[in-house]
Amino acid sequence: EAGVAQSPRYKIIEKRQSVAFWCNPISGHATLYWYQQILGQGPKLLIQFQNNGVVDDSQLPKDRFSAERLKGVDSTLKIQPAKLEDSAVYLCASSLNPGYEQYFGPGTRLTVT
Amino acid sequence: KNEVEQSPQNLTAQEGEFITINCSYSVGISALHWLQQHPGGGIVSLFMLSSGKKKHGRLIATINIQEKHSSLHITASHPRDSAVYICAVPPGGSNYKLTFGKGTLLTVNP
Repeated sequence: EAGVAQSPRYKIIEKRQSVAFWCNPISGHATLYWYQQILGQGPKLLIQFQNNGVVDDSQLPKDRFSAERLKGVDSTLKIQPAKLEDSAVYLCASSLNPGYEQYFGPGTRLTVT
Repeated sequence: KNEVEQSPQNLTAQEGEFITINCSYSVGISALHWLQQHPGGGIVSLFMLSSGKKKHGRLIATINIQEKHSSLHITASHPRDSAVYICAVPPGGSNYKLTFGKGTLLTVNP
């Protein structure tokens, strides 16, 4: 069974630039999560999708972050414009449904200079 | 909100030693997750358990629902086990948004 795919694995941008991350969850998983993990901290949930609908985006900085999952499969997370404090690993995870085991992708390490 | 405490924060062991990492939480849960994160950043789900014990290779996870406590054990530890081990729990009720512990950094020396 293929795992959760993410790209790119690494990205370096300057502040005020834009960046987009892509995630392909495990086939058949209805629930998709985007997490932000700052160095030395645990992951923080940014947004949770159930199929193509948003379940929870309470911790998403909506003035600069956006995410979509238009067809209920792949998802993209965008930051525009980026700030220095956005430097982190962005993790995508999926699960069959809420409450089931979550499977994580390899993450995208973002460095904002 | 569920408060998650992991101990120890850092652990250094010699190859072959038996390792125990502990996790305590404050609110009753349906299931607890143990995750492994290597320096590259990717997270691997090790266990999701709601009662008793689960074993996978040299890894064993136990949970005591009444005491709100879980342990992750590694038998015959190896340098490739070096990683951050994270405990995660939902906040209780029907909300499945996970609360993550700060992680335990394990270093196994040859």
